[in-house]
Amino acid sequence: EDQVTQSPEALRLQEGESSSLNCSYTVSGLRGLFWYRQDPGKGPEFLFTLYSAGEEKEKERLKATLTKKESFLHITAPKPEDSATYLCAVISDNYGQNFVFGPGTRLSVLP
Amino acid sequence: DGGITQSPKYLFRKEGQNVTLSCEQNLNHDAMYWYRQDPGQGLRLIYYSQIVNDFQKGDIAEGYSVSREKKESFPLTVTSAQKNPTAFYLCASSISGEAFFGQGTRLTVV
Repeated sequence: EDQVTQSPEALRLQEGESSSLNCSYTVSGLRGLFWYRQDPGKGPEFLFTLYSAGEEKEKERLKATLTKKESFLHITAPKPEDSATYLCAVISDNYGQNFVFGPGTRLSVLP
Repeated sequence: DGGITQSPKYLFRKEGQNVTLSCEQNLNHDAMYWYRQDPGQGLRLIYYSQIVNDFQKGDIAEGYSVSREKKESFPLTVTSAQKNPTAFYLCASSISGEAFFGQGTRLTVV
């Protein structure tokens, strides 16, 4: 059975304090790994797709990387507006077009 | 603007009542999904549909039903058989991997 875990569950940072969020996965035949941002009471917003180990994607202060067992979302010099829950999801051979989501990491960036 | 529209944003259900959540997309995506989100938990798949007039049960389909009569529409009915329906419901559509989400419907049993 495919599993996705995320750590830490919650993270508090000072503005400008860089850090990383982890997404670990156990799947059979990874087809893609996705990162989303979710603000309270809203639907997830797509950030990145990663397909193979070694791949990296960047967008503003965010950088996503992928290995064979995990993905990291690096946040450089975060701002308060980066506060949100960050979700990781995978698609694998087991579930076809269906996504398996992790529980998320709740990030708070304090001014 | 292209996107996914869920309605209503808030919905209140009485005990024993069926309610229907709307999901419409104009992205021309074939695949559509319904997820349930509870506090502290990841999104859990209720139903999904890859093409019109076809849909499959997800991990927590009991007490829910769907239809897919049009490519653009994938409504979810929460029936009285769902014993714990209070949750945040999210609809998504997908093509070539990435899923795009609506803004959600918060359902509360009163």
